[in-house]
Amino acid sequence: DTGVSQDPRHKITKRGQNVTFRCDPISEHNRLYWYRQTLGQGPEFLTYFQNEAQLEKSRLLSDRFSAERPKGSFSTLEIQRTEQGDSAMYLCASSLSLGRDYGYTFGSGTRLTVV
Amino acid sequence: AQSVAQPEDQVNVAEGNPLTVKCTYSVSGNPYLFWYVQYPNRGLQFLLKYITGDNLVKGSYGFEAEFNKSQTSFHLKKPSALVSDSALYFCAVSSPTDSWGKLQFGAGTQVVVTP
Repeated sequence: DTGVSQDPRHKITKRGQNVTFRCDPISEHNRLYWYRQTLGQGPEFLTYFQNEAQLEKSRLLSDRFSAERPKGSFSTLEIQRTEQGDSAMYLCASSLSLGRDYGYTFGSGTRLTVV
Repeated sequence: AQSVAQPEDQVNVAEGNPLTVKCTYSVSGNPYLFWYVQYPNRGLQFLLKYITGDNLVKGSYGFEAEFNKSQTSFHLKKPSALVSDSALYFCAVSSPTDSWGKLQFGAGTQVVVTP
């Protein structure tokens, strides 16, 4: 297992189009998080899964955003009717539950540019 | 609610001099504290974490951080900075018993190490 993988690395889309990003977490990690990072800012929490259950969604996640984690493995984040304000780096992270090995591993991110 | 403050937008240091990046936090429950580094157009790389135990934590690339509960601080330090340490540094806090363990990030501190 080589870590958290995100695909694609870069996505350029026209305003109004739909986009979907994929995240493959570390296989034994039961928790998966999505964050959004705009230029020069810290990552902001979007949503969280424990196994296949989506347990929390940020108010940042408008109705145009949807995330899934079927079977508790990979996750997808879809943005419908993209807007220029959606341009950001979308980061995925996975973690184990509690314990001394508790920690988060981040993927390299998907940079979205809406033109 | 969790929060993290990184009071300095940028830290400038000459190569070979000590480097300190400040972080203070607020969290209900026991804090789990993390430092990450980000290079341009890349994801977050883990440096170190404090979960429990010794207040002085040693991490990757010669970095260390000291957990100070009374001052609610977790400053990142390196005895002798390298030009290659120039990057964006993020402090983050989590409380596994609160908010599903999601990370709350600071705004980041840009470190510039000059030759």
